[in-house]
Amino acid sequence: SQQGEEDPQALSIQEGENATMNCSYKTSINNLQWYRQNSGRGLVHLILIRSNEREKHSGRLRVTLDTSKKSSSLLITASRAADTASYFCATDAGNAGNMLTFGGGTRLMVKP
Amino acid sequence: GAVVSQHPSWVICKSGTSVKIECRSLDFQATTMFWYRQFPKQSLMLMATSNEGSKATYEQGVEKDKFLINHASLTLSTLTVTSAHPEDSSFYICSANTGGFTEAFFGQGTRLTVV
Repeated sequence: SQQGEEDPQALSIQEGENATMNCSYKTSINNLQWYRQNSGRGLVHLILIRSNEREKHSGRLRVTLDTSKKSSSLLITASRAADTASYFCATDAGNAGNMLTFGGGTRLMVKP
Repeated sequence: GAVVSQHPSWVICKSGTSVKIECRSLDFQATTMFWYRQFPKQSLMLMATSNEGSKATYEQGVEKDKFLINHASLTLSTLTVTSAHPEDSSFYICSANTGGFTEAFFGQGTRLTVV
């Protein structure tokens, strides 16, 4: 079942602009992960942030986590046309096997 | 990173036939794998947890007799869609972890079209 909500559902920006996507979840988590999916393809892991972390960076990606608000954000800076994809947050509640529960996703379009 | 290979990538089948999808962890052992279904422009919905050597755990609303899961080895899980119907047309994706609270590795997905 889906745990989280993501907003916006769709985002269209110009190349060079920043893109911010938000994710909210409902239960306590061990970690939260962000994934990218190009149309009709599998998922690619972007970044994992643990419940005791508040912010994490990886290249042009910046992720924040607020466990008190049960929310996370993904910021992509200086976007490129190649960043066009769907982005999903997924929560790991620490269950056996590391089951992930996905948010609804944000479809990002970066116009050249 | 670890590699999960899913096969086939794309399959078209006639109504009433069965389709088997394979998910392999290529360079690690996975006692647990997960099967998801994704409809167009929607998120991934967990169908079942595949457990090596034991029965799969199905999510509510997923018919276990229709979606047969076998996890006979530490590197292979299979999902068989039995007596497929057009409404089963979807994108099916598997994932596995290398252990611990780490990222999941996803197969490239299988697009199933039932005609």
